[in-house]
Amino acid sequence: GEDVEQSLFLSVREGDSSVINCTYTDSSSTYLYWYKQEPGAGLQLLTYIFSNMDMKQDQRLTVLLNKKDKHLSLRIADTQTGDSAIYFCAERDNTNAGKSTFGDGTTLTVKP
Amino acid sequence: NAGVTQTPKFQVLKTGQSMTLQCAQDMNHEYMSWYRQDPGMGLRLIHYSVGAGITDQGEVPNGYNVSRSTTEDFPLRLLSAAPSQTSVYFCASSTTALSGTSGEQFFGPGTRLTVL
Repeated sequence: GEDVEQSLFLSVREGDSSVINCTYTDSSSTYLYWYKQEPGAGLQLLTYIFSNMDMKQDQRLTVLLNKKDKHLSLRIADTQTGDSAIYFCAERDNTNAGKSTFGDGTTLTVKP
Repeated sequence: NAGVTQTPKFQVLKTGQSMTLQCAQDMNHEYMSWYRQDPGMGLRLIHYSVGAGITDQGEVPNGYNVSRSTTEDFPLRLLSAAPSQTSVYFCASSTTALSGTSGEQFFGPGTRLTVL
């Protein structure tokens, strides 16, 4: 089956940039996603990128996509303590079934 | 819009008991799914549905049943609870992958289930 991998932990200082990396196996994915999960809550979409794009910027967030290497990254500029959460990378099956495969999540800790 | 709602928020069961986790969405989404989240294991797909009357198994379907009689509701049934089913369960909904939209999933707040 499809697989999505990401490192489990990242710790940064407040004000620094955070970069969370992800690799995936399904080359047919049309969209790739980043979700954020805060403690005790469900996942919420943070941003997504269409597969024919290399980069997408949305305020403090920058998503980079390298289709050749099947590598996706999320950069958070000026990281704040409120950014501490678990970040999930996900890809979606390009058939009508549209099943998503999620990585195991990267726990971002922001130290003051 | 309420989005995706799940009930109950917390549940404690004894081994062998059965129960139904409820999930409803008011966004007219065709696609609905159930996941379980265990520490260090991310989200694992239990069952999913691409429309009323259509369901299929995900990665970890054993011990769970689903039905989809309406677009709005997608209940998950635990047939005979086991301690291995202690987990956090999330329901999600979205448009289908071929709808031409970005197809992100909308998640409910989760049900925290403990099986003793």
